[in-house]
Amino acid sequence: SQQGEEDPQALSIQEGENATMNCSYKTSINNLQWYRQNSGRGLVHLILIRSNEREKHSGRLRVTLDTSKKSSSLLITASRAADTASYFCATDGGGGNKLTFGTGTQLKVEL
Amino acid sequence: NAGVTQTPKFQVLKTGQSMTLQCAQDMNHEYMSWYRQDPGMGLRLIHYSVGAGITDQGEVPNGYNVSRSTTEDFPLRLLSAAPSQTSVYFCASSYRAGAYEQYFGPGTRLTVT
Repeated sequence: SQQGEEDPQALSIQEGENATMNCSYKTSINNLQWYRQNSGRGLVHLILIRSNEREKHSGRLRVTLDTSKKSSSLLITASRAADTASYFCATDGGGGNKLTFGTGTQLKVEL
Repeated sequence: NAGVTQTPKFQVLKTGQSMTLQCAQDMNHEYMSWYRQDPGMGLRLIHYSVGAGITDQGEVPNGYNVSRSTTEDFPLRLLSAAPSQTSVYFCASSYRAGAYEQYFGPGTRLTVT
């Protein structure tokens, strides 16, 4: 079964707007990661946040983690058409050896 | 560095045929894994390895075998292909298991008729 569930499933915004997508998970974790997948390509790592961190930034990306609610959010600021992709969260389920991915959010950024 | 490479890119099999999907990495990573991606399902872990000679099952291991005789290679074998195994298969590697980013290959699109 999927450990993580992203919300919304699909998101369409205009270039320059911010995009927020959420991930909820079921069991305790050591870390949570976000990945991007362009159509027909492999996944690319974006950011990793550990369970003792609440917020992390990388360029236009901001990730938050709330372990009490078992949820994380990914914010992309000032979106660009090139940000059009699917975004997945992945959790380690506390065990470290198995990374479990959510079902993803499809983001479309229109000019 | 080539990163993670997968062959073939596309494959069509008939039900009952067997084949091996190849995966190799040149980053000296200890951890390697195989996922399948189906529409609306995200990625599901098939098998993984934390080092040469060590493999373990993931979420959906039935119908697949793996071995890890070297650090670089992690082939995935389909024993007797079934239409339910039609999917896109991704291989990934990371420095170690745990809090390390995974590097993904470009994927193999498999169709079983």
